[in-house]
Amino acid sequence: GQSLEQPSEVTAVEGAIVQINCTYQTSGFYGLSWYQQHDGGAPTFLSYNGLDGLEETGRFSSFLSRSDSYGYLLLQELQMKDSASYFCAVSPPGAGNMLTFGGGTRLMVKP
Amino acid sequence: NAGVTQTPKFRVLKTGQSMTLLCAQDMNHEYMYWYRQDPGMGLRLIHYSVGEGTTAKGEVPDGYNVSRLKKQNFLLGLESAAPSQTSVYFCASSYPGRGHTEAFFGQGTRLTVV
Repeated sequence: GQSLEQPSEVTAVEGAIVQINCTYQTSGFYGLSWYQQHDGGAPTFLSYNGLDGLEETGRFSSFLSRSDSYGYLLLQELQMKDSASYFCAVSPPGAGNMLTFGGGTRLMVKP
Repeated sequence: NAGVTQTPKFRVLKTGQSMTLLCAQDMNHEYMYWYRQDPGMGLRLIHYSVGEGTTAKGEVPDGYNVSRLKKQNFLLGLESAAPSQTSVYFCASSYPGRGHTEAFFGQGTRLTVV
C-alpha cells in the first residue's frame, strides 16, 4: 500500500514563512497534490507536482523530490486566514488510482 | 456551477437503522470517491469508482456498500448503522489530469449514530 506522513501540527506568526512536509512510501505515482481544509469545510485543491522541483502559485509553493520520497508545501507571507489543515495526496496507478491522503497538518497562524 | 453535491447535509440515525447518502457531480468525471473524516483526523477512503457500473474497496470499506449506476451519481449505503460510523462523510470526483489527484469535494454529510 501507500502511506504519507505529515507533522500533526505547526504554529507560525502572521507574515512569516512556514513549510509543511510530506514523506511517502508508495511504489510509483503520477504526482503529489496538496489540499487545504478550513474547520467545518470541505478540502479544496491547492497545488500539484508532477515533476521534481518547485511549483509556485502566488503565496503558496510546493516541492517534490522523488529520489528522497519527499515533498513540502511552502506558505509565505502568512495570513490569519491560512489557519487550516493541509493534506498531501497521491493517486498511484498501481493501486487503481486510489486517491490517498496523508493524516493532515493543522496550521495555526498567530498574530 | 454545482460541482459536487451531497445530500443530506446532516443526519441522526439510531443504531441498526439504514440510510443512503447521495453524491451527484455535473463535471462528467469518471472517478468518484467516498471518504470519512473523524475529528482531528485525515480522510480515509471507504469506496471508490473508476467509471459507471464499477466500484472498488478503499481503506475502510466494512459496514458500507456503494453503487454507481449512473456516471453522475455515486451512492453510499449503511445497512445497519453503528456508533463507530459517526463521522463526516465527503464525496469527491476527479478527472485524469494531474494524475487524478485534483479532486473536487462535496460539502460533506455530518452523520451521528446514537
